Amino acid sequence: NAGVTQTPKFQVLKTGQSMTLQCAQDMNHNSMYWYRQDPGMGLRLIYYSASEGTTDKGEVPNGYNVSRLNKREFSLRLESAAPSQTSVYFCASSESALGGYSNQPQHFGDGTRLSIL
Amino acid sequence: AQSVTQLGSHVSVSEGALVLLRCNYSSSVPPYLFWYVQYPNQGLQLLLKYTSAATLVKGINGFEAEFKKSETSFHLTKPSAHMSDAAEYFCAVSGSASKIIFGSGTRLSIRP
Repeated sequence: NAGVTQTPKFQVLKTGQSMTLQCAQDMNHNSMYWYRQDPGMGLRLIYYSASEGTTDKGEVPNGYNVSRLNKREFSLRLESAAPSQTSVYFCASSESALGGYSNQPQHFGDGTRLSIL
Repeated sequence: AQSVTQLGSHVSVSEGALVLLRCNYSSSVPPYLFWYVQYPNQGLQLLLKYTSAATLVKGINGFEAEFKKSETSFHLTKPSAHMSDAAEYFCAVSGSASKIIFGSGTRLSIRP
């Protein structure tokens, strides 16, 4: 049972470099999410995809782009990395809800620890 | 709009003592509520969820939470703390478009 798989687990970038974080889920979930976690700030939603073919901005989308490649895969791209984007990034997936408010939990990957120098 | 507030960024208890982690929510619709646990260098794992079937919800590892509408609270408890319970705990409420809104987290430390 792989669940949600994120690659890479660790990465160090220089300011201005670009990078794509990969995420794949094997639970046939419709919805996928990207979060960043910073000390004392909980999880903040960057982008989400309620269903295949759709993506929407979350709370902190600036400096990021996403691609929902297919139902399984949802990637996050940093086009020009900045030190403020040093964080731990989590991908999650869930079953979606008709009407929006879901009682289904999200399932998380183990995270990508990204440092930008 | 949906939101959660976790009272106390850090809670420390002795092994064998009661664990109480506090969470208050705000919701414009009847809420679905969750508690997650995060161990070091891992992702979040679901502890339990409230979906209106019963106000007292039992989860994994001996944790439970009680939904109190009058107090807009969903506090997490465990009668007897174990060293392995040391982790960060997040309360969360369901939002629109299948999103979940997380609290800022409470780090639980266990003293021997």
